[in-house]
Amino acid sequence: DAGITQSPRHKVTETGTPVTLRCHQTENHRYMYWYRQDPGHGLRLIHYSYGVKDTDKGEVSDGYSVSRSKTEDFLLTLESATSSQTSVYFCASTSPTGPSLGKLFFGSGTQLSVL
Amino acid sequence: DQQVKQNSPSLSVQEGRISILNCDYTNSMFDYFLWYKKYPAEGPTFLISISSIKDKNEDGRFTVFLNKSAKHLSLHIVPSQPGDSAVYFCAATDNYGQNFVFGPGTRLSVLP
Repeated sequence: DAGITQSPRHKVTETGTPVTLRCHQTENHRYMYWYRQDPGHGLRLIHYSYGVKDTDKGEVSDGYSVSRSKTEDFLLTLESATSSQTSVYFCASTSPTGPSLGKLFFGSGTQLSVL
Repeated sequence: DQQVKQNSPSLSVQEGRISILNCDYTNSMFDYFLWYKKYPAEGPTFLISISSIKDKNEDGRFTVFLNKSAKHLSLHIVPSQPGDSAVYFCAATDNYGQNFVFGPGTRLSVLP
């Protein structure tokens, strides 16, 4: 399995506070993604990155920002958390070449609760 | 509008029988399709995939069928086992994996 680590695994925070979720991968994958999983919606793309300092918005990017200063790290920030951002967040990565081509590898997820 | 649809939120099957999970897509630019399996409190894991140049791909108990004209694919699990109980996500991508679009998932329960 690809080495993708998310931290924290669980977080409870209050409305209006900033929150940063971390994703670290050891596979040297160029592409990285943040998804959120909600009942009835499956996995929806928040932001993605095709390389260091190369990021773009996904389907549900409002209220979120990302940064990628190193190949292995992809940070997701909720600028001012709202209750609608209570969700399970998954980081994923892949490579455009080699055995990872066409497959996404996921971390174990972060359960975020915004009270 | 959802580009990848899984119209059955849940499915129950008896152990040893066949499980058939369905997926429909709307974007004709999709050229590669994947199935992921997800257990509670874990991340999704890759199960099987199929390229648009094929109509069938088999891996052990798992077979994926693709009908391009109908924009439909299905995952067959034979025989079903209790350990197969999980949520299954259908996903599609173009250009071999830059943008992956997921369906809402189907929860499969395999009853002993």
